[in-house]
Amino acid sequence: KAGVTQTPRYLIKTRGQQVTLSCSPISGHRSVSWYQQTPGQGLQFLFEYFSETQRNKGNFPGRFSGRQFSNSRSEMNVSTLELGDSALYLCASSPMDRDTEAFFGQGTRLTVV
Amino acid sequence: AQSVTQLDSQVPVFEEAPVELRCNYSSSVSVYLFWYVQYPNQGLQLLLKYLSGSTLVKGINGFEAEFNKSQTSFHLRKPSVHISDTAEYFCAVSNQAGTALIFGKGTTLSVSS
Repeated sequence: KAGVTQTPRYLIKTRGQQVTLSCSPISGHRSVSWYQQTPGQGLQFLFEYFSETQRNKGNFPGRFSGRQFSNSRSEMNVSTLELGDSALYLCASSPMDRDTEAFFGQGTRLTVV
Repeated sequence: AQSVTQLDSQVPVFEEAPVELRCNYSSSVSVYLFWYVQYPNQGLQLLLKYLSGSTLVKGINGFEAEFNKSQTSFHLRKPSVHISDTAEYFCAVSNQAGTALIFGKGTTLSVSS
């Protein structure tokens, strides 16, 4: 069974631009969550999508948004990039059954210059 | 609100020695607890999880953890570490099992010979 796939793995963007990151969950998983990892703030929850609906949201500004498609694939968008948005962005999928856990992808390393 | 405190940011240890990585959490509701490991430039891999039942949880690679509700702790232990256990370890809590994880700041385990 293929794991969680995130594309691209590395990305360099200029301040003020926008960026879209993609996540393909494990087959059959309906929940997709996004996390931001930085040296200063650590791992922080961004949002979760389940059946194409945002179900949970962390404490991030509106510049961070996401969506989920009918095949459970998810995209995350960051508009008007700031230097502080440089981070490892991790996607996790979960089957949301009784004995559930989150399976993480390898992440997208975003550098804003 | 939920929070997680990992009491040690760095833990140096010699190969074949025992190790304990400490984690305390706070939550006003029932929680699910997790330990993840992260190797350089990789995503997160689940070591073990507590969802319910027995408070002693066994995970992969010889790790185990004990859920202590009265002390709100979930410490990770391994009786004998290997060089290959060198990595970053994260404790996480959630009230929704597998999503909206709140992470601690991480503990760097360094195993030397």
